[in-house]
Amino acid sequence: EAQVTQNPRYLITVTGKKLTVTCSQNMNHEYMSWYRQDPGLGLRQIYYSMNVEVTDKGDVPEGYKVSRKEKRNFPLILESPSPNQTSLYFCASRKTSGRDPDTQYFGPGTRLTVL
Amino acid sequence: AQKITQTQPGMFVQEKEAVTLDCTYDTSDPSYGLFWYKQPSSGEMIFLIYQGSYDQQNATEGRYSLNFQKARKSANLVISASQLGDSAMYFCAMREGMNYGQNFVFGPGTRLSVLP
Repeated sequence: EAQVTQNPRYLITVTGKKLTVTCSQNMNHEYMSWYRQDPGLGLRQIYYSMNVEVTDKGDVPEGYKVSRKEKRNFPLILESPSPNQTSLYFCASRKTSGRDPDTQYFGPGTRLTVL
Repeated sequence: AQKITQTQPGMFVQEKEAVTLDCTYDTSDPSYGLFWYKQPSSGEMIFLIYQGSYDQQNATEGRYSLNFQKARKSANLVISASQLGDSAMYFCAMREGMNYGQNFVFGPGTRLSVLP
């Protein structure tokens, strides 16, 4: 089954404790992206990656890091989480050529609470 | 300035009736794509429909159609014959430019409630 998986789905942590949210897709998509969703703001893009070893900032990159060492994986790293990073996080992927390249496939979301 | 505006925080519709969810966008790029996503209470994001800026016809996908008015920069989603399962948050989104590395921008969403 074609899918984007994220882990963990729920996480409660404390300020300053480094964490990683994993994202993996099995569709051989070149493009992957991270978003955060906050009430009244919709989804805002944090980082995206066009392909392996190619990453770029989205609209709200502060406090986050990403890496793309393999095509299927795109982890989101919070080196020193703060309460304002409490949010619902989505990973997404899409292909960049061929039919319907624009269609993004989203993971199930990770609800993060930073105390 | 907001690139995607959804002016209806919440909407109600009677089951089996049609409903239009508004979306206006702002871009100076001649090439862009417009999307609608559905987010039910379970939280996942479900792709509904896509309209490219150069597409001559309005996009349709089953009960979903996109009323694309380029000059007015609007891309309203029309849901025909509403069902109870259509109750969800709906997000309008835009991808600017031909470069697939461009950001996707989402609107704040509209919460649709379908009444029995």
